[in-house]
Amino acid sequence: EIVMTQSPATLSVSPGERATLSCRASQSVSSNLAWYQQKPGQAPRLLIYGASTRATGIPARFSGSGSGTEFTLTISSLQSEDFAVYYCQQYNNWPALTFGGGTKVEIK
Amino acid sequence: EVQLVESGGVVVQPGGSLRLSCAASGFTFDDYAMHWVRQAPGKGLEWVSLISWDGGSTYYADSVKGRFTISRDNSKNSLYLQMNSLRAEDTALYYCAKDVSSSWFDYWGQGTLVTVSS
Repeated sequence: EIVMTQSPATLSVSPGERATLSCRASQSVSSNLAWYQQKPGQAPRLLIYGASTRATGIPARFSGSGSGTEFTLTISSLQSEDFAVYYCQQYNNWPALTFGGGTKVEIK
Repeated sequence: EVQLVESGGVVVQPGGSLRLSCAASGFTFDDYAMHWVRQAPGKGLEWVSLISWDGGSTYYADSVKGRFTISRDNSKNSLYLQMNSLRAEDTALYYCAKDVSSSWFDYWGQGTLVTVSS
Protein backbone atom coordinates (compact mmCIF):
# COMPACT_ATOMS: atom_id res chain seq x y z
CA GLU A 1 0.00 0.00 0.00
CA ILE A 2 1.21 3.49 -0.83
CA VAL A 3 1.06 5.73 2.22
CA MET A 4 0.25 9.38 1.61
CA THR A 5 1.45 11.87 4.22
CA GLN A 6 0.17 15.43 4.29
CA SER A 7 1.72 18.37 6.09
CA PRO A 8 1.08 20.39 8.03
CA ALA A 9 -1.94 18.91 9.77
CA THR A 10 -3.27 22.43 10.33
CA LEU A 11 -2.35 25.60 8.49
CA SER A 12 -3.37 29.00 9.87
CA VAL A 13 -3.60 31.62 7.13
CA SER A 14 -5.06 35.10 6.87
CA PRO A 15 -7.54 35.87 4.07
CA GLY A 16 -5.70 37.10 0.99
CA GLU A 17 -2.51 35.26 1.86
CA ARG A 18 -0.99 32.30 0.04
CA ALA A 19 -1.39 28.78 1.37
CA THR A 20 0.99 25.96 0.50
CA LEU A 21 -0.01 22.39 1.34
CA SER A 22 2.28 19.40 0.97
CA CYS A 23 1.63 15.76 0.17
CA ARG A 24 4.30 13.06 0.15
CA ALA A 25 3.97 9.51 -1.18
CA SER A 26 5.85 6.55 0.32
CA GLN A 27 6.86 5.56 -3.21
CA SER A 28 6.60 7.18 -6.59
CA VAL A 29 3.08 7.75 -7.91
CA SER A 30 4.28 9.56 -11.05
CA SER A 31 1.69 12.31 -11.66
CA ASN A 32 -1.22 10.14 -10.60
CA LEU A 33 -2.42 12.39 -7.83
CA ALA A 34 -5.65 14.23 -7.09
CA TRP A 35 -6.61 16.90 -4.54
CA TYR A 36 -10.00 17.35 -2.88
CA GLN A 37 -11.54 20.03 -0.70
CA GLN A 38 -13.99 19.15 2.06
CA LYS A 39 -16.00 21.66 4.05
CA PRO A 40 -17.76 20.74 7.30
CA GLY A 41 -20.85 18.64 6.71
CA GLN A 42 -20.18 18.38 2.98
CA ALA A 43 -18.85 15.73 0.63
CA PRO A 44 -15.37 16.15 -0.81
CA ARG A 45 -15.03 18.17 -4.02
CA LEU A 46 -12.48 17.39 -6.70
CA LEU A 47 -10.01 20.23 -7.22
CA ILE A 48 -7.02 18.83 -9.12
CA TYR A 49 -6.17 15.64 -10.99
CA GLY A 50 -3.06 14.53 -12.82
CA ALA A 51 -1.16 16.48 -10.11
CA SER A 52 -1.74 19.82 -11.84
CA THR A 53 -4.94 19.87 -13.92
CA ARG A 54 -7.78 21.84 -12.40
CA ALA A 55 -11.17 20.17 -12.44
CA THR A 56 -14.10 21.85 -14.15
CA GLY A 57 -15.18 25.05 -12.43
CA ILE A 58 -12.23 25.27 -10.04
CA PRO A 59 -10.85 28.81 -9.72
CA ALA A 60 -7.40 29.61 -11.05
CA ARG A 61 -6.15 30.50 -7.55
CA PHE A 62 -5.88 26.74 -6.94
CA SER A 63 -2.80 25.15 -8.48
CA GLY A 64 -1.10 21.80 -8.11
CA SER A 65 2.46 20.78 -8.79
CA GLY A 66 4.91 17.95 -8.27
CA SER A 67 5.56 14.42 -9.44
CA GLY A 68 7.04 11.24 -8.08
CA THR A 69 6.76 11.47 -4.31
CA GLU A 70 6.44 15.20 -3.59
CA PHE A 71 3.36 17.27 -4.38
CA THR A 72 2.07 20.72 -3.52
CA LEU A 73 -1.33 22.38 -3.58
CA THR A 74 -1.11 26.16 -3.61
CA ILE A 75 -3.98 28.55 -3.01
CA SER A 76 -2.65 31.86 -4.23
CA SER A 77 -4.93 34.24 -2.31
CA LEU A 78 -7.18 32.64 0.26
CA GLN A 79 -10.85 33.52 0.10
CA SER A 80 -13.28 32.96 2.96
CA GLU A 81 -14.81 29.98 1.15
CA ASP A 82 -11.41 28.24 0.94
CA PHE A 83 -11.16 27.47 4.64
CA ALA A 84 -11.64 23.72 4.67
CA VAL A 85 -9.81 20.39 4.87
CA TYR A 86 -7.79 19.33 1.85
CA TYR A 87 -6.93 15.74 0.94
CA CYS A 88 -4.53 14.30 -1.59
CA GLN A 89 -5.19 10.91 -3.21
CA GLN A 90 -2.93 8.68 -5.27
CA TYR A 91 -4.23 6.45 -8.06
CA ASN A 92 -0.94 5.06 -9.32
CA ASN A 93 -1.25 1.87 -7.28
CA TRP A 94 -4.60 0.93 -8.73
CA PRO A 95 -7.04 -0.28 -7.42
CA ALA A 96 -5.61 0.32 -3.94
CA LEU A 97 -6.43 4.00 -3.99
CA THR A 98 -5.18 5.83 -0.90
CA PHE A 99 -5.70 9.25 0.64
CA GLY A 100 -3.54 11.45 2.80
CA GLY A 101 -4.67 12.32 6.30
CA GLY A 102 -5.70 15.83 5.33
CA THR A 103 -4.61 19.40 5.99
CA LYS A 104 -7.03 21.76 7.69
CA VAL A 105 -6.73 25.34 6.48
CA GLU A 106 -8.06 27.64 9.18
CA ILE A 107 -8.41 31.36 9.57
CA LYS A 108 -5.49 33.02 11.31
CA GLU B 1 -26.85 17.73 -12.99
CA VAL B 2 -25.11 14.70 -11.51
CA GLN B 3 -26.74 13.49 -8.32
CA LEU B 4 -25.74 10.62 -6.05
CA VAL B 5 -28.01 9.86 -3.11
CA GLU B 6 -26.99 7.25 -0.57
CA SER B 7 -29.35 5.51 1.84
CA GLY B 8 -29.50 2.58 4.22
CA GLY B 9 -27.23 3.73 7.01
CA VAL B 10 -28.42 2.82 10.52
CA VAL B 11 -27.17 1.71 13.91
CA VAL B 12 -26.30 -2.00 13.82
CA GLN B 13 -24.78 -4.38 16.33
CA PRO B 14 -21.29 -5.84 15.90
CA GLY B 15 -21.47 -8.91 13.71
CA GLY B 16 -24.58 -7.64 11.97
CA SER B 17 -25.31 -6.95 8.32
CA LEU B 18 -26.49 -3.99 6.31
CA ARG B 19 -27.02 -3.01 2.68
CA LEU B 20 -26.33 0.48 1.49
CA SER B 21 -27.78 1.90 -1.71
CA CYS B 22 -26.81 4.79 -3.94
CA ALA B 23 -29.25 6.21 -6.50
CA ALA B 24 -27.57 7.94 -9.41
CA SER B 25 -28.97 10.46 -11.87
CA GLY B 26 -27.81 13.12 -14.28
CA PHE B 27 -25.35 10.95 -16.19
CA THR B 28 -25.27 7.70 -18.12
CA PHE B 29 -24.80 5.38 -15.16
CA ASP B 30 -23.71 2.30 -17.08
CA ASP B 31 -20.88 4.20 -18.75
CA TYR B 32 -18.97 4.56 -15.49
CA ALA B 33 -17.31 2.54 -12.77
CA MET B 34 -18.42 3.47 -9.27
CA HIS B 35 -16.81 3.51 -5.83
CA TRP B 36 -17.63 3.46 -2.15
CA VAL B 37 -15.44 5.63 0.08
CA ARG B 38 -15.87 5.98 3.84
CA GLN B 39 -14.96 8.49 6.50
CA ALA B 40 -14.90 7.60 10.18
CA PRO B 41 -16.14 10.37 12.49
CA GLY B 42 -13.56 13.16 12.62
CA LYS B 43 -11.13 11.18 10.45
CA GLY B 44 -9.88 11.11 6.88
CA LEU B 45 -11.09 9.35 3.76
CA GLU B 46 -10.68 5.63 3.08
CA TRP B 47 -11.39 3.96 -0.25
CA VAL B 48 -13.57 0.89 0.25
CA SER B 49 -14.56 -0.67 -3.04
CA LEU B 50 -14.79 -0.26 -6.83
CA ILE B 51 -17.07 -1.87 -9.40
CA SER B 52 -16.65 -1.72 -13.15
CA TRP B 53 -19.30 -0.23 -15.43
CA ASP B 54 -20.88 -3.62 -16.11
CA GLY B 55 -20.38 -5.13 -12.67
CA GLY B 56 -18.00 -7.69 -14.09
CA SER B 57 -15.03 -6.60 -12.00
CA THR B 58 -14.96 -5.70 -8.34
CA TYR B 59 -12.16 -4.62 -6.01
CA TYR B 60 -11.95 -4.13 -2.25
CA ALA B 61 -9.74 -2.58 0.38
CA ASP B 62 -8.02 -5.21 2.51
CA SER B 63 -9.93 -3.91 5.55
CA VAL B 64 -13.27 -5.06 4.10
CA LYS B 65 -12.31 -7.91 1.77
CA GLY B 66 -14.38 -11.00 2.42
CA ARG B 67 -16.98 -9.07 4.42
CA PHE B 68 -18.33 -6.46 1.98
CA THR B 69 -19.78 -6.98 -1.50
CA ILE B 70 -20.27 -4.23 -4.04
CA SER B 71 -22.87 -4.59 -6.78
CA ARG B 72 -24.90 -2.50 -9.18
CA ASP B 73 -28.16 -2.61 -11.12
CA ASN B 74 -27.76 -0.55 -14.27
CA SER B 75 -31.46 -0.89 -15.07
CA LYS B 76 -32.17 1.01 -11.85
CA ASN B 77 -29.16 3.36 -11.96
CA SER B 78 -28.24 2.06 -8.54
CA LEU B 79 -25.11 1.04 -6.66
CA TYR B 80 -25.09 -1.17 -3.58
CA LEU B 81 -22.79 -2.22 -0.76
CA GLN B 82 -23.64 -5.36 1.19
CA MET B 83 -21.84 -5.21 4.52
CA ASN B 84 -21.56 -8.36 6.65
CA SER B 85 -19.75 -9.20 9.89
CA LEU B 86 -19.70 -5.54 10.82
CA ARG B 87 -17.17 -4.28 13.33
CA ALA B 88 -16.94 -1.15 15.44
CA GLU B 89 -14.19 0.11 13.14
CA ASP B 90 -16.62 0.08 10.21
CA THR B 91 -18.47 3.00 11.81
CA ALA B 92 -18.29 5.77 9.25
CA LEU B 93 -20.06 7.99 6.78
CA TYR B 94 -20.21 5.99 3.55
CA TYR B 95 -20.04 7.93 0.28
CA CYS B 96 -20.70 6.66 -3.20
CA ALA B 97 -18.52 8.36 -5.77
CA LYS B 98 -18.47 8.46 -9.56
CA ASP B 99 -15.29 7.22 -11.15
CA VAL B 100 -13.05 8.87 -13.69
CA SER B 101 -10.82 6.43 -15.56
CA SER B 102 -10.72 4.13 -12.50
CA SER B 103 -8.53 6.75 -10.89
CA TRP B 104 -10.18 9.66 -9.13
CA PHE B 105 -13.67 10.72 -8.15
CA ASP B 106 -15.43 13.63 -9.84
CA TYR B 107 -18.79 13.49 -8.03
CA TRP B 108 -19.70 12.38 -4.54
CA GLY B 109 -22.97 11.83 -2.72
CA GLN B 110 -23.69 13.36 0.67
CA GLY B 111 -23.08 10.06 2.45
CA THR B 112 -25.04 7.72 4.71
CA LEU B 113 -23.97 7.07 8.30
CA VAL B 114 -23.31 3.55 9.52
CA THR B 115 -22.82 3.10 13.25
CA VAL B 116 -21.73 -0.27 14.59
CA SER B 117 -22.41 -0.41 18.29
CA SER B 118 -23.99 -2.64 20.87
